[in-house]
Amino acid sequence: QKEVEQDPGPLSVPEGAIVSLNCTYSNSAFQYFMWYRQYSRKGPELLMYTYSSGNKEDGRFTAQVDKSSKYISLFIRDSQPSDSATYLCASGMDSNYQLIWGAGTKLIIKP
Amino acid sequence: GAGVSQTPSNKVTEKGKYVELRCDPISGHTALYWYRQSLGQGPEFLIYFQGTGAADDSGLPNDRFFAVRPEGSVSTLKIQRTERGDSAVYLCASSPGPAYTEAFFGQGTRLTVV
Repeated sequence: QKEVEQDPGPLSVPEGAIVSLNCTYSNSAFQYFMWYRQYSRKGPELLMYTYSSGNKEDGRFTAQVDKSSKYISLFIRDSQPSDSATYLCASGMDSNYQLIWGAGTKLIIKP
Repeated sequence: GAGVSQTPSNKVTEKGKYVELRCDPISGHTALYWYRQSLGQGPEFLIYFQGTGAADDSGLPNDRFFAVRPEGSVSTLKIQRTERGDSAVYLCASSPGPAYTEAFFGQGTRLTVV
Protein backbone atom coordinates (compact mmCIF):
# COMPACT_ATOMS: atom_id res chain seq x y z
CA GLN A 1 0.00 0.00 0.00
CA LYS A 2 1.31 3.44 -0.94
CA GLU A 3 1.49 6.04 1.81
CA VAL A 4 -0.56 8.50 -0.25
CA GLU A 5 -3.28 7.19 -2.56
CA GLN A 6 -5.01 9.18 -5.27
CA ASP A 7 -7.42 8.18 -8.03
CA PRO A 8 -5.68 8.83 -11.37
CA GLY A 9 -8.91 9.72 -13.20
CA PRO A 10 -9.40 11.23 -15.67
CA LEU A 11 -12.14 13.33 -14.12
CA SER A 12 -14.15 15.24 -16.72
CA VAL A 13 -16.62 17.96 -15.70
CA PRO A 14 -18.38 20.83 -17.48
CA GLU A 15 -17.15 24.40 -17.12
CA GLY A 16 -18.56 26.12 -14.04
CA ALA A 17 -18.99 22.91 -12.04
CA ILE A 18 -17.60 22.36 -8.56
CA VAL A 19 -14.72 19.89 -8.64
CA SER A 20 -13.81 17.61 -5.75
CA LEU A 21 -10.39 15.96 -5.73
CA ASN A 22 -9.38 13.55 -2.98
CA CYS A 23 -6.50 11.64 -1.48
CA THR A 24 -6.07 9.26 1.41
CA TYR A 25 -2.91 8.72 3.41
CA SER A 26 -1.73 6.11 5.87
CA ASN A 27 1.04 7.73 7.94
CA SER A 28 -0.40 9.43 11.00
CA ALA A 29 2.87 11.39 11.42
CA PHE A 30 2.10 13.51 8.36
CA GLN A 31 1.46 17.13 9.30
CA TYR A 32 1.81 18.96 5.97
CA PHE A 33 -0.78 18.41 3.26
CA MET A 34 -0.07 20.02 -0.07
CA TRP A 35 -1.88 20.37 -3.37
CA TYR A 36 0.03 20.92 -6.59
CA ARG A 37 -1.12 21.53 -10.13
CA GLN A 38 0.94 20.17 -13.01
CA TYR A 39 0.40 21.07 -16.64
CA SER A 40 1.70 18.75 -19.33
CA ARG A 41 5.51 18.80 -19.60
CA LYS A 42 5.82 21.31 -16.75
CA GLY A 43 6.96 21.06 -13.15
CA PRO A 44 4.43 20.93 -10.29
CA GLU A 45 3.18 24.28 -9.01
CA LEU A 46 2.10 24.64 -5.39
CA LEU A 47 -1.56 25.68 -5.10
CA MET A 48 -1.95 25.61 -1.35
CA TYR A 49 -1.05 23.67 1.74
CA THR A 50 -2.55 22.94 5.15
CA TYR A 51 -0.71 22.23 8.36
CA SER A 52 -2.42 19.62 10.54
CA SER A 53 -6.22 19.57 10.28
CA GLY A 54 -8.80 21.99 9.05
CA ASN A 55 -9.77 24.02 6.04
CA LYS A 56 -7.99 26.63 3.99
CA GLU A 57 -9.48 28.81 1.29
CA ASP A 58 -7.74 30.75 -1.48
CA GLY A 59 -9.97 32.27 -4.12
CA ARG A 60 -11.80 29.48 -5.94
CA PHE A 61 -9.80 26.77 -4.16
CA THR A 62 -10.52 25.16 -0.78
CA ALA A 63 -8.33 22.52 0.85
CA GLN A 64 -9.62 20.28 3.63
CA VAL A 65 -7.82 17.80 5.86
CA ASP A 66 -9.58 15.29 8.09
CA LYS A 67 -6.89 13.61 10.18
CA SER A 68 -9.36 11.28 11.89
CA SER A 69 -10.15 9.61 8.57
CA LYS A 70 -6.78 10.42 6.91
CA TYR A 71 -8.59 12.11 4.06
CA ILE A 72 -7.44 15.13 2.04
CA SER A 73 -9.67 17.11 -0.32
CA LEU A 74 -9.34 19.96 -2.78
CA PHE A 75 -12.45 21.76 -4.04
CA ILE A 76 -12.45 24.01 -7.07
CA ARG A 77 -15.42 26.34 -7.51
CA ASP A 78 -16.54 27.82 -10.84
CA SER A 79 -14.13 25.55 -12.72
CA GLN A 80 -12.52 26.93 -15.88
CA PRO A 81 -10.99 25.18 -18.91
CA SER A 82 -7.63 26.61 -17.76
CA ASP A 83 -7.97 24.45 -14.62
CA SER A 84 -7.49 21.37 -16.81
CA ALA A 85 -4.30 19.78 -15.51
CA THR A 86 -3.08 16.99 -13.26
CA TYR A 87 -3.58 17.66 -9.56
CA LEU A 88 -1.17 16.06 -7.13
CA CYS A 89 -1.51 15.77 -3.38
CA ALA A 90 1.58 15.40 -1.22
CA SER A 91 2.22 14.97 2.48
CA GLY A 92 5.18 15.48 4.75
CA MET A 93 6.35 15.41 8.33
CA ASP A 94 7.89 17.98 10.63
CA SER A 95 10.95 15.79 11.11
CA ASN A 96 12.27 15.56 7.56
CA TYR A 97 12.15 17.19 4.15
CA GLN A 98 10.75 14.36 2.05
CA LEU A 99 7.37 14.91 0.48
CA ILE A 100 5.36 11.75 -0.26
CA TRP A 101 3.20 12.22 -3.34
CA GLY A 102 0.03 10.74 -4.74
CA ALA A 103 -0.01 9.62 -8.37
CA GLY A 104 -2.07 12.64 -9.47
CA THR A 105 -5.61 13.02 -10.82
CA LYS A 106 -6.03 14.24 -14.38
CA LEU A 107 -8.79 16.86 -14.49
CA ILE A 108 -10.52 17.92 -17.70
CA ILE A 109 -12.86 20.93 -17.72
CA LYS A 110 -15.08 20.90 -20.81
CA PRO A 111 -16.09 24.32 -22.22
CA GLY B 1 17.00 33.87 -13.42
CA ALA B 2 13.31 34.16 -12.80
CA GLY B 3 12.75 30.51 -12.01
CA VAL B 4 14.42 27.14 -11.56
CA SER B 5 16.17 26.16 -14.77
CA GLN B 6 16.98 22.58 -15.73
CA THR B 7 19.13 21.48 -18.63
CA PRO B 8 18.85 19.69 -20.89
CA SER B 9 15.07 19.58 -21.34
CA ASN B 10 15.35 16.20 -22.98
CA LYS B 11 18.12 13.62 -22.96
CA VAL B 12 18.23 10.36 -24.87
CA THR B 13 21.06 8.03 -23.98
CA GLU B 14 22.03 4.46 -24.59
CA LYS B 15 21.88 1.85 -21.87
CA GLY B 16 25.14 1.75 -19.94
CA LYS B 17 26.12 5.36 -20.63
CA TYR B 18 26.80 8.10 -18.08
CA VAL B 19 24.57 11.20 -17.90
CA GLU B 20 24.60 14.49 -16.03
CA LEU B 21 21.51 16.57 -15.38
CA ARG B 22 21.88 20.19 -14.32
CA CYS B 23 19.75 22.37 -12.07
CA ASP B 24 20.09 26.15 -11.70
CA PRO B 25 18.04 27.18 -8.67
CA ILE B 26 16.47 30.55 -8.01
CA SER B 27 19.17 32.98 -6.92
CA GLY B 28 19.60 33.03 -3.14
CA HIS B 29 17.73 29.80 -2.52
CA THR B 30 19.72 27.70 -0.08
CA ALA B 31 17.63 24.52 -0.25
CA LEU B 32 17.54 22.31 -3.34
CA TYR B 33 15.65 19.08 -3.97
CA TRP B 34 15.81 16.43 -6.68
CA TYR B 35 12.78 14.29 -7.49
CA ARG B 36 12.10 11.63 -10.12
CA GLN B 37 8.69 11.31 -11.78
CA SER B 38 7.81 8.23 -13.80
CA LEU B 39 4.93 8.28 -16.28
CA GLY B 40 1.57 8.39 -14.55
CA GLN B 41 3.13 8.68 -11.09
CA GLY B 42 3.80 11.40 -8.58
CA PRO B 43 7.34 12.65 -7.95
CA GLU B 44 9.61 10.47 -5.84
CA PHE B 45 12.12 12.12 -3.51
CA LEU B 46 15.78 11.56 -4.35
CA ILE B 47 17.97 14.01 -2.41
CA TYR B 48 17.85 17.28 -0.49
CA PHE B 49 20.67 19.83 -0.22
CA GLN B 50 20.94 22.59 2.34
CA GLY B 51 23.75 24.79 1.05
CA THR B 52 26.57 22.65 -0.29
CA GLY B 53 25.86 19.55 1.74
CA ALA B 54 23.44 16.72 1.09
CA ALA B 55 21.22 16.86 4.18
CA ASP B 56 19.20 13.81 3.10
CA ASP B 57 20.18 11.45 0.27
CA SER B 58 18.05 8.53 1.43
CA GLY B 59 15.94 8.60 -1.73
CA LEU B 60 18.78 7.82 -4.14
CA PRO B 61 17.86 4.35 -5.46
CA ASN B 62 21.38 2.90 -5.61
CA ASP B 63 25.04 3.84 -5.90
CA ARG B 64 24.73 4.59 -9.63
CA PHE B 65 23.08 7.85 -8.64
CA PHE B 66 25.05 10.74 -7.19
CA ALA B 67 24.40 14.47 -6.84
CA VAL B 68 26.63 17.43 -6.04
CA ARG B 69 26.22 21.11 -5.27
CA PRO B 70 29.80 22.30 -4.81
CA GLU B 71 29.20 26.03 -4.42
CA GLY B 72 25.75 25.96 -2.90
CA SER B 73 24.02 27.06 -6.08
CA VAL B 74 23.99 24.89 -9.24
CA SER B 75 23.47 21.18 -8.69
CA THR B 76 24.26 18.25 -10.93
CA LEU B 77 22.61 14.84 -10.74
CA LYS B 78 24.89 12.14 -12.11
CA ILE B 79 23.75 8.70 -13.23
CA GLN B 80 26.30 6.01 -14.08
CA ARG B 81 25.70 2.89 -16.18
CA THR B 82 22.17 3.99 -17.07
CA GLU B 83 19.41 1.39 -17.26
CA ARG B 84 16.10 1.49 -19.12
CA GLY B 85 14.33 1.71 -15.75
CA ASP B 86 16.03 5.07 -15.14
CA SER B 87 13.83 6.62 -17.85
CA ALA B 88 11.73 9.30 -16.16
CA VAL B 89 11.39 13.05 -15.71
CA TYR B 90 13.94 14.36 -13.22
CA LEU B 91 12.62 17.40 -11.36
CA CYS B 92 14.59 19.94 -9.37
CA ALA B 93 13.10 22.36 -6.86
CA SER B 94 14.61 25.14 -4.76
CA SER B 95 13.40 27.13 -1.77
CA PRO B 96 14.72 30.03 0.30
CA GLY B 97 14.95 27.81 3.38
CA PRO B 98 14.35 24.19 4.30
CA ALA B 99 10.56 24.40 4.23
CA TYR B 100 9.23 22.60 1.18
CA THR B 101 6.14 24.76 1.44
CA GLU B 102 8.09 27.48 -0.32
CA ALA B 103 9.72 25.32 -3.01
CA PHE B 104 9.52 26.13 -6.71
CA PHE B 105 9.99 23.43 -9.33
CA GLY B 106 11.78 23.52 -12.64
CA GLN B 107 10.23 22.07 -15.79
CA GLY B 108 12.25 18.89 -15.47
CA THR B 109 14.64 16.89 -17.63
CA ARG B 110 13.03 14.03 -19.55
CA LEU B 111 15.56 11.19 -19.59
CA THR B 112 15.05 8.31 -22.00
CA VAL B 113 17.40 5.34 -21.86
CA VAL B 114 17.26 3.20 -25.01
